[in-house]
Amino acid sequence: DVVMTQSPLSLPVTLGQPASISCRSSQTLVYSDGGTYLNWFQQRPGQSPRRLIYKVSNRDSGVPDRFSGSGSGTDFTLKISRVEAEDVGVYYCMQGTHWPRTFGQGTKVEIK
Amino acid sequence: EVQLVESGGGSVQPGGSLRLSCAASGFTFSGHWMSWVRQAPGKGLEWVASIKQDGSEKYYVDSVKGRFTISRDNAKNSLYLQMNSLRADDTAVYYCARGSWGPHYWGQGTLVTVSS
Repeated sequence: DVVMTQSPLSLPVTLGQPASISCRSSQTLVYSDGGTYLNWFQQRPGQSPRRLIYKVSNRDSGVPDRFSGSGSGTDFTLKISRVEAEDVGVYYCMQGTHWPRTFGQGTKVEIK
Repeated sequence: EVQLVESGGGSVQPGGSLRLSCAASGFTFSGHWMSWVRQAPGKGLEWVASIKQDGSEKYYVDSVKGRFTISRDNAKNSLYLQMNSLRADDTAVYYCARGSWGPHYWGQGTLVTVSS
């Protein structure tokens, strides 16, 4: 199975400051069609997960542009340019290239 | 508006069975892969199973193979998860989600508790 490793697991941030989460996969996430199926999800306290980014860098509709995704192959990053109070929650990367699908452990973002 | 509404969760003893359902609306159900994802209390997300649009392909996480069965009824816009031989470590909130390689829409989840 593809292991997804996130870091850090806890991320205290100051409002208005940037934040960055790393996600590394144990195998390349490039699929035979050339696409890279790496997604980022946000889960606010008490809510269902919400997809923010798909295929590495594509922002879902309604997602603020302060969220951005980048990376390739096995190394990926989610960046928040200026953290707002509503960004508190747990962020997960997930690979959709290989079966079984696998998630990272989650990164808890909190305000300092 | 896309809606996914799970039902069927509850408390069951180890070794018991439950059938989860997910009612979909607001999109062409038969045109999408569907998945189940679970989250144990205080833990992270774990993908459980996915099914292709016509039901011809199904995939499972190793820990549920042979015990869980994913199915769908496109005429009823519904997704199912039959769970047999339940164990304590199956205790989780089970989410229904649209998609497989990157689930876009998620339901609110249904809680399954396996305990004696």
